[in-house]
Amino acid sequence: DAKTTQPPSMDCAEGRAANLPCNHSTISGNEYVYWYRQIHSQGPQYIIHGLKNNETNEMASLIITEDRKSSTLILPHATLRDTAVYYCIVRGIQGAQKLVFGQGTRLTINP
Amino acid sequence: EAGVTQFPSHSVIEKGQTVTLRCDPISGHDNLYWYRRVMGKEIKFLLHFVKESKQDESGMPNNRFLAERTGGTYSTLKVQPAELEDSGVYFCASSQSPGELFFGEGSRLTVL
Repeated sequence: DAKTTQPPSMDCAEGRAANLPCNHSTISGNEYVYWYRQIHSQGPQYIIHGLKNNETNEMASLIITEDRKSSTLILPHATLRDTAVYYCIVRGIQGAQKLVFGQGTRLTINP
Repeated sequence: EAGVTQFPSHSVIEKGQTVTLRCDPISGHDNLYWYRRVMGKEIKFLLHFVKESKQDESGMPNNRFLAERTGGTYSTLKVQPAELEDSGVYFCASSQSPGELFFGEGSRLTVL
């Protein structure tokens, strides 16, 4: 699986958009970009995933660059409950492959 | 719809004892995964079942760990004998194929 690079930590003001970057320059054509988060010590929570087109759901938006070498997760109106560690993961398209977690980005939402 | 459930939520045992963790996946999910997070470290993959078969067990740390999934439903992860370094949170996840993984709340293991 391709390796991802994320900043170790970020801060964002409550109510503002949180933009979390991820580099995955070695991603191959048959790999998705997945985002998960872990709030405190809870189980990781799925947020969103995409292949090459931008994606949006009720939680977030995912913007993938045209060359697919990087992406940005956007939480449009961050709340205090969005404070968590966010993981950007590249996962093969074939079958039900495992997720490989890195260190992620610790996002702190400030009041 | 019930999510992934894990039992126990917390277990405290002494070094050398045995502990068995259980995971009930979401109904209908053929894929079941075990992960572990030890203090201060990343979440690490342990193994992956497809129904009752071990698809990938490359992350199992040593032969003190035994995972089973008889009948392709729930799974157990046994640690015998437990060592201090086995302390951490053990997460189970399940998925359809293909699809995202849904994680349980984890079983926290403390080995004294």
